[in-house]
Amino acid sequence: NAGVTQTPKFQVLKTGQSMTLQCAQDMNHEYMSWYRQDPGMGLRLIHYSVGAGITDQGEVPNGYNVSRSTTEDFPLRLLSAAPSQTSVYFCASSYGGRKTQYFGPGTRLLVL
Amino acid sequence: DAKTTQPTSMDCAEGRAANLPCNHSTISGNEYVYWYRQIHSQGPQYIIHGLKNNETNEMASLIITEDRKSSTLILPHATLRDTAVYYCIAENSNSGYALNFGKGTSLLVTP
Repeated sequence: NAGVTQTPKFQVLKTGQSMTLQCAQDMNHEYMSWYRQDPGMGLRLIHYSVGAGITDQGEVPNGYNVSRSTTEDFPLRLLSAAPSQTSVYFCASSYGGRKTQYFGPGTRLLVL
Repeated sequence: DAKTTQPTSMDCAEGRAANLPCNHSTISGNEYVYWYRQIHSQGPQYIIHGLKNNETNEMASLIITEDRKSSTLILPHATLRDTAVYYCIAENSNSGYALNFGKGTSLLVTP
């Protein structure tokens, strides 16, 4: 199993640009989520999904959209990037909603 | 979710046991204690969790006090690769999906 994969590993955007961060898992996990981690900070939940077609907001959802059309994929869309969205983004998945979550390697995003 | 308190940083000599404490004095009866770690620049990694009994797996042991107000994560033979930030999280497994990562303990394993 590849586990949780994320692409790209690193991205530079200009303010106002849009982009999609990709996340995929091959463990048939129902639950998937996106976190962001700012320097010296813990992780904060952006959006999560409890299954295909179902998504919900986390702690810091503004400026981000998600969709879940398949069990495997959970992309995160930045509609109009802002410097405040400079961060490291982690995708995670788990089985049955348990809090034993598996994290991807992260995407480092720099917004200029 | 119960608030957890951990030391900001700790050192441990390679080959020795690393004992990482966590205080969760307001923990309720249905809240589990989870431990994760994050090695520099990598995604968090699940280590272990427990409710009230001590737990052991291939990575670590978790000792929870009888009153459940504190716990200790034990890495029995720390290696340089165990240098990481360790997060103690006390949450109800049915309270929603988010993991409430705090600041954690930065463990430095030295040669």
